Amino acid sequence: DVKVTQSSRYLVKRTGEKVFLECVQDMDHENMFWYRQDPGLGLRLIYFSYDVKMKEKGDIPEGYSVSREKKERFSLILESASTNQTSMYLCASSPGIAGSDTQYFGPGTRLTVL
Amino acid sequence: GQSLEQPSEVTAVEGAIVQINCTYQTSGFYGLSWYQQHDGGAPTFLSYNALDGLEETGRFSSFLSRSDSYGYLLLQELQMKDSASYFCAVRDRGGATNKLIFGTGTLLAVQP
Repeated sequence: DVKVTQSSRYLVKRTGEKVFLECVQDMDHENMFWYRQDPGLGLRLIYFSYDVKMKEKGDIPEGYSVSREKKERFSLILESASTNQTSMYLCASSPGIAGSDTQYFGPGTRLTVL
Repeated sequence: GQSLEQPSEVTAVEGAIVQINCTYQTSGFYGLSWYQQHDGGAPTFLSYNALDGLEETGRFSSFLSRSDSYGYLLLQELQMKDSASYFCAVRDRGGATNKLIFGTGTLLAVQP
């Protein structure tokens, strides 16, 4: 079974702090994604990566950065956390196979910024 | 802009059939997927349609009409455990990147 793990289920941070969210997948997938999920807004893509050290902006990248130094690990960084970044953050991975749409999600990190 | 429209809520009774519709407007289209998410859980993949027609997987079926930019998820013999949010998602580019655009989700409530 594909396993995607995220470093924390719940996280509380203060405004202005630098926040790191870690995601690890164990299936040698090329693609990894970071989403945020807010009520009524569905899943919105923040950033994704299709290879080590490669990244591309999603729909809402402002205020975020990412790092992919190893194939299995994809990190989301909030350079200076703000209250409007309070949300559920979901990481996903998928194989680099044309025509395959299956993304495998981690359990999510619920981040609260005070 | 790019958008996917689906109803926000649907209610049905156990044993019934329910259809969740999804219309999309995207710059590219390479397939329509459906994901299920239970409250507090992670989204899980249900089905994928790249070509027009019906795909069946047990009690769940998914339909696509590319000419109408429309698809639906059909759930038969509803069970209480089917109560969840259902998201449609469009792959908007070809190749192996598998980038998806998600709809805002439909909350299905199954009543006894």
